Amino acid sequence: DTGVSQDPRHKITKRGQNVTFRCDPISEHNRLYWYRQTLGQGPEFLTYFQNEAQLEKSRLLSDRFSAERPKGSFSTLEIQRTEQGDSAMYLCASSSSRGGGRQTQYFGPGTRLLVL
Amino acid sequence: ILNVEQSPQSLHVQEGDSTNFTCSFPSSNFYALHWYRWETAKSPEALFVMTLNGDEKKKGRISATLNTKEGYSYLYIKGSQPEDSATYLCAFSSSWSGNTPLVFGKGTRLSVIA
Repeated sequence: DTGVSQDPRHKITKRGQNVTFRCDPISEHNRLYWYRQTLGQGPEFLTYFQNEAQLEKSRLLSDRFSAERPKGSFSTLEIQRTEQGDSAMYLCASSSSRGGGRQTQYFGPGTRLLVL
Repeated sequence: ILNVEQSPQSLHVQEGDSTNFTCSFPSSNFYALHWYRWETAKSPEALFVMTLNGDEKKKGRISATLNTKEGYSYLYIKGSQPEDSATYLCAFSSSWSGNTPLVFGKGTRLSVIA
């Protein structure tokens, strides 16, 4: 399967714990995005990388959240001191930047986080 | 703040019926409009990227139109099948942000009853 993969698919944690999610994009894609979807809402942008550079961060991304893409390939999203309000589906997407800026973003299946 | 609205929020149709949904978006600084289909426990699947006013795209029984001047797009499904049951999301990007953050609507949840 050459699509976007995410791990784990589900995570249950207790409030105050740290969690880390991983995203493996489509191999030839240089752009990688993180979105979050809460119940009844559409996905909301969190942050975006081009190669290893983090180019944009949403105001939704509090200082408890950090994302990295150290070698321009896979990415990790860490949430420190989780809160119940962090419970959501975390989606990763990737795209190429070639051919202009209207490239399709291809999504992974998401990591569903439940904070108890 | 960019706002993307989708309607209806949900609908149920009988197998064989045709149906359509609406996506409304800001008409200024338009860059692209994306449609996705998201089935439960799967990845959102890209259906269309639409960029030009008057665009009409088709994929099998699904088609979409785009009006950038008035800020709306329609998605049509002809002869709905149970496998069309999914949430249909539209997402907008403005010329200010390029193709970086997509701003999504809340989606239309379609249930096709056999």
